[in-house]
Amino acid sequence: NAGVTQTPKFQVLKTGQSMTLQCAQDMNHEYMSWYRQDPGMGLRLIHYSVGAGITDQGEVPNGYNVSRSTTEDFPLRLLSAAPSQTSVYFCASSYSGGGVVETQYFGPGTRLLVL
Amino acid sequence: GENVEQHPSTLSVQEGDSAVIKCTYSDSASNYFPWYKQELGKRPQLIIDIRSNVGEKKDQRIAVTLNKTAKHFSLHITETQPEDSAVYFCAAKAFGGKLIFGQGTELSVKP
Repeated sequence: NAGVTQTPKFQVLKTGQSMTLQCAQDMNHEYMSWYRQDPGMGLRLIHYSVGAGITDQGEVPNGYNVSRSTTEDFPLRLLSAAPSQTSVYFCASSYSGGGVVETQYFGPGTRLLVL
Repeated sequence: GENVEQHPSTLSVQEGDSAVIKCTYSDSASNYFPWYKQELGKRPQLIIDIRSNVGEKKDQRIAVTLNKTAKHFSLHITETQPEDSAVYFCAAKAFGGKLIFGQGTELSVKP
């Protein structure tokens, strides 16, 4: 099991550019989510998904889009990057049988710098 | 919306002392409360969790207590060691299954 994987590990963008952060898991987890981590602000939920074809907004969804076409993948899209989106992004997944979210496993993170 | 408040933001203790981190949550429907440890440059890792039907849970030197009435839960680390130094996050599962995190506590254990 590779667990939760994220690519790229590090990315530099110019303001206005678009990009997709990739996230994949091989544990057959229904629940997947994206967080951003900024100093002193903890982990803030951007978007989450309870299964293929279902996504919902978290605490800070503006400027980000997601889709969930398969159980394994949950990409995060930045349509027009802004310096305020400079952050470390973590993807996470967990089993959620019966509506109960179990232990959430995090990917290694993507460090994004927007100039 | 759902909110989790965590205190203190920084905590410094001497090796061997106990450390306590406290969190409060706003969603009374929350029923799952995990704690994560994050070392510098690494991903968060689950260290202990508790469900709403339990008031206390222990795992060696760490324990978590939950007061549903007060919507308050705490992490207790006894006999702290330098390797316990890290950032600790509490979280609460809100309506719809989303996990909301506190702001984090930077714990420093001095030898």
